[in-house]
Amino acid sequence: EADIYQTPRYLVIGTGKKITLECSQTMGHDKMYWYQQDPGMELHLIHYSYGVNSTEKGDLSSESTVSRIRTEHFPLTLESARPSHTSQYLCASSESDQVLNEQFFGPGTRLTVL
Amino acid sequence: LAKTTQPISMDSYEGQEVNITCSHNNIATNDYITWYQQFPSQGPRFIIQGYKTKVTNEVASLFIPADRKSSTLSLPRVSLSDTAVYYCLVGGNTGFQKLVFGTGTRLLVSP
Repeated sequence: EADIYQTPRYLVIGTGKKITLECSQTMGHDKMYWYQQDPGMELHLIHYSYGVNSTEKGDLSSESTVSRIRTEHFPLTLESARPSHTSQYLCASSESDQVLNEQFFGPGTRLTVL
Repeated sequence: LAKTTQPISMDSYEGQEVNITCSHNNIATNDYITWYQQFPSQGPRFIIQGYKTKVTNEVASLFIPADRKSSTLSLPRVSLSDTAVYYCLVGGNTGFQKLVFGTGTRLLVSP
């Protein structure tokens, strides 16, 4: 069973608020990822990290930012939430030395911005 | 990354075998084929991965023909709990692996 955690699971917040979605993994994985997924739609990679102090933007442009100060922690921040940010955010991690790097996903955070 | 094409949806009944085919005509020599499963309101979960011929695990089988331009995920004797979205992904071990999930195949298993 994968040990990757996301908090909160659900968040309803007003426009303009700053929010941080937490993601932690206890598997010692170097690589971590954030995906965004609207209901019934594709997953889109928005951020990824090779390791500590390494972050890159994904294929889908996002107004969010990420940081990777510790291996196990990969938080995502929205400085000023807007209704267009309403979505499900999924965090994942993988080892560095496997072919295609099987990704382990967290349970997700469902964000609603009013 | 190679583009993949799979059916948008499939219907089945409990106890039947389900085969979901994925096309990946421009698969590269070092690309592997991986399938993930996603239940509603959860993150995807790795099912199986292969390079060629046949791979089998406790959950599914993956059939890959010699030309590797397609692959078939086979789920034996499905149950209601197999209702989910199934994603076919293709990629190789060349640097950072950004997985492209696509729209997947929505499998509905009925009693």
